[in-house]
Amino acid sequence: AQSVTQLDSQVPVFEEAPVELRCNYSSSVSVYLFWYVQYPNQGLQLLLKYLSGSTLVKGINGFEAEFNKSQTSFHLRKPSVHISDTAEYFCAVSLSGTYKYIFGTGTRLKVLA
Amino acid sequence: KAGVTQTPRYLIKTRGQQVTLSCSPISGHRSVSWYQQTPGQGLQFLFEYFSETQRNKGNFPGRFSGRQFSNSRSEMNVSTLELGDSALYLCASSLAGDRTNTGELFFGEGSRLTVL
Repeated sequence: AQSVTQLDSQVPVFEEAPVELRCNYSSSVSVYLFWYVQYPNQGLQLLLKYLSGSTLVKGINGFEAEFNKSQTSFHLRKPSVHISDTAEYFCAVSLSGTYKYIFGTGTRLKVLA
Repeated sequence: KAGVTQTPRYLIKTRGQQVTLSCSPISGHRSVSWYQQTPGQGLQFLFEYFSETQRNKGNFPGRFSGRQFSNSRSEMNVSTLELGDSALYLCASSLAGDRTNTGELFFGEGSRLTVL
């Protein structure tokens, strides 16, 4: 069965410091990979996605992620975070050939002044 | 272009009652999916509809049901509410066609259900 693991439930980081949010997945078939962000009292919005091609994907708000097939990972990074990046981040996979998304349990990023 | 609209935004029900939640997708989006979000559990997939047909279903009991209308609007219903049904219910629409959906999900702001 396919699954998505976000090992860190909470990540505190100081403003202007770099951050990495980890995501690992398990699947025996091809997948598409996504990162979504959820601000308080809002729905989710797409940060970036990997469908094929270059394994380094750039998204909105200065975020990027790297697809590592051998390690089945899709970690999200930002070189310098801002207070406004405080939110919950979800990693998701969509199985190639299906219409179903599997989400991780989320990582709450708290940016400290 | 209007986003995904969910109504109501907040509601309180008591155990045993039933509830109906509504979702209007972005114009032109034919795929609508529903998720249950609870603290610590992340988003759990409920079901997905495309052109009035349920294409995918998650592992939820039969008390959870849904439907989609010809204008792509969707409703989900939960009958015989339990305390554990308290959650944020998110609807998402996409441009998924008849083949693999590789696109983005556009989420509404959710309907927060509290069961007392």
